[in-house]
Amino acid sequence: GAVVSQHPSWVICKSGTSVKIECRSLDFQATTMFWYRQFPKQSLMLMATSNEGSKATYEQGVEKDKFLINHASLTLSTLTVTSAHPEDSSFYICSANTGAETGELFFGEGSRLTVL
Amino acid sequence: GQNIDQPTEMTATEGAIVQINCTYQTSGFNGLFWYQQHAGEAPTFLSYNVLDGLEEKGRFSSFLSRSKGYSYLLLKELQMKDSASYLCAALDSNYQLIWGAGTKLIIKP
Repeated sequence: GAVVSQHPSWVICKSGTSVKIECRSLDFQATTMFWYRQFPKQSLMLMATSNEGSKATYEQGVEKDKFLINHASLTLSTLTVTSAHPEDSSFYICSANTGAETGELFFGEGSRLTVL
Repeated sequence: GQNIDQPTEMTATEGAIVQINCTYQTSGFNGLFWYQQHAGEAPTFLSYNVLDGLEEKGRFSSFLSRSKGYSYLLLKELQMKDSASYLCAALDSNYQLIWGAGTKLIIKP
């Protein structure tokens, strides 16, 4: 199946700093990528839909100035958590689909962010 | 509103069969997914149903009834490695995935 790679897998940062997470589709072009956040023992929460060459579409309640998304190419989307605070600590996961009819999503490995 | 319901937790014995149910209410419907997620890892795709009926794939099968807004995931010959969360997700009319909270499956020897 299609491969989505996410980097870094783990990141620890100080409060007030910014962290960038990359999501790459390795063997297919992804016009659309999705960014999720997952708290322990909870399901995935869609944060935003990232569209190549245009602005991301954010879900209600997600601060677009806090979580900057850039989808500069058909194989790369980035999520930057700006001025991170401890409450931003979470598991962030990206996904993409190949455009096939099934709409199957392929997920990155996830990035665990800990803000001290 | 849109809603996905599935049990929070289930326990089963190694070698047995378990069925995880999912009911959904969405604005339009374009299919239902089941994903497996081990703790601390990203979800992995298990199945996709858009037509009524049963789809079998090895030890895992998935069933859909569109008229009832109901799906289940059937796991046979359970193995310890099947201990994970199982996420049900429905694709609505805008092709947005609506996620259930997941069912934590605990396998006991």
